[in-house]
Amino acid sequence: DTAVSQTPKYLVTQMGNDKSIKCEQNLGHDTMYWYKQDSKKFLKIMFSYNNKELIINETVPNRFSPKSPDKAHLNLHINSLELGDSAVYFCASSQGLAGGLFNEQFFGPGTRLTVL
Amino acid sequence: AQKVTQAQTEISVVEKEDVTLDCVYETRDTTYYLFWYKQPPSGELVFLIRRNSFDEQNEISGRYSWNFQKSTSSFNFTITASQVVDSAVYFCALSEENYGQNFVFGPGTRLSVLP
Repeated sequence: DTAVSQTPKYLVTQMGNDKSIKCEQNLGHDTMYWYKQDSKKFLKIMFSYNNKELIINETVPNRFSPKSPDKAHLNLHINSLELGDSAVYFCASSQGLAGGLFNEQFFGPGTRLTVL
Repeated sequence: AQKVTQAQTEISVVEKEDVTLDCVYETRDTTYYLFWYKQPPSGELVFLIRRNSFDEQNEISGRYSWNFQKSTSSFNFTITASQVVDSAVYFCALSEENYGQNFVFGPGTRLSVLP
């Protein structure tokens, strides 16, 4: 029974394409996140959603847009993909105060995006 | 701005040795939270511990222990009697309550435990 799931696990696509990564959590958490991990393993938060409201938006290009149809889902849409978007993208969720940033986050297995 | 430094990029030890992973943080906030996560070769991120800024009591969980010292802004992680399964990248992270409510990871330390 996976707590945080992401699909697809691997995504290979051409530059300029538009793609989406889906994330679902069955933990009943109220906050979900997207992180990007580059080839050097640096992890950086991109977005978080609390009760359907965006509460963090890091300096991420507006080609990236999170969409949350409900509390259990936070999908990541990427338009006009670029080579530099190649990375592993992690979804996470947490529950708690002020958007849940202060509580442990449970991560999905990651989606490895390769842009050719 | 908040910052997390893990000065050790890579560490190699032989099985059964003890190893300490260092984490130093910077924050303007008086209320903040510190975390450690483990990323094994399979790639998933596993939560290990959370500590809030008002609780400096050290914690032990099996072979794992954490030493939180506000005076030196450090939150170090020690693995006692290391095992091959401990091989992973370990991330320290910081979340501030009042400044931007951001969540920042350190660059990670890659630990290799050799048999």
